[in-house]
Amino acid sequence: GDSVTQMEGPVTLSEEAFLTINCTYTATGYPSLFWYVQYPGEGLQLLLKATKADDKGSNKGFEATYRKETTSFHLEKGSVQVSDSAVYFCALSDYDRKLIWGLGTSLAVNP
Amino acid sequence: EAGVAQSPRYKIIEKRQSVAFWCNPISGHATLYWYQQILGQGPKLLIQFQNNGVVDDSQLPKDRFSAERLKGVDSTLKIQPAKLEDSAVYLCASSSRGANIQYFGAGTRLSVL
Repeated sequence: GDSVTQMEGPVTLSEEAFLTINCTYTATGYPSLFWYVQYPGEGLQLLLKATKADDKGSNKGFEATYRKETTSFHLEKGSVQVSDSAVYFCALSDYDRKLIWGLGTSLAVNP
Repeated sequence: EAGVAQSPRYKIIEKRQSVAFWCNPISGHATLYWYQQILGQGPKLLIQFQNNGVVDDSQLPKDRFSAERLKGVDSTLKIQPAKLEDSAVYLCASSSRGANIQYFGAGTRLSVL
């Protein structure tokens, strides 16, 4: 069945450092790919999405490119801030529109 | 536009007690989801409603969990009786019909002692 694999955390960075969180997927069809973020004590928020190969999703300085050849959707940000500290989830949605989730990657950014 | 509303935010109960959670989705969203999120894991879908009909409840422990969505708007999720392993955050999400973007509420954090 479909699955999502994310790099394990926690990830600890200093402010203004470059961030990469790896995500790879397995799917039988042509899924849509998502990054959701969960700030402490809050629900999940959609951060960005991509619906087809080579699409780039971007929001709040974060980017991720849908790479069909490597089945990846890595999340990147050029300069992280303390306010980016959160748990990041990679997910896919296939033909049935159900979300398949990764386990989440915790990010802590120190000033 | 108001987001997905959930209550209560926190609940502490003893094992074998019952508990209920409430969710009000975004206005006009036909699809409603209940997820269980155990600490350190991704969300696990418990049940999906399309209007007031159940689309998928394959992972709902039906011996103790129940959910309803009367009139196709608000929904309640009940656990009776609760077990220690039910300690988790219960998330409600909604989406418009046919869409693959889900919008989440803040969740209810349940602690079973």
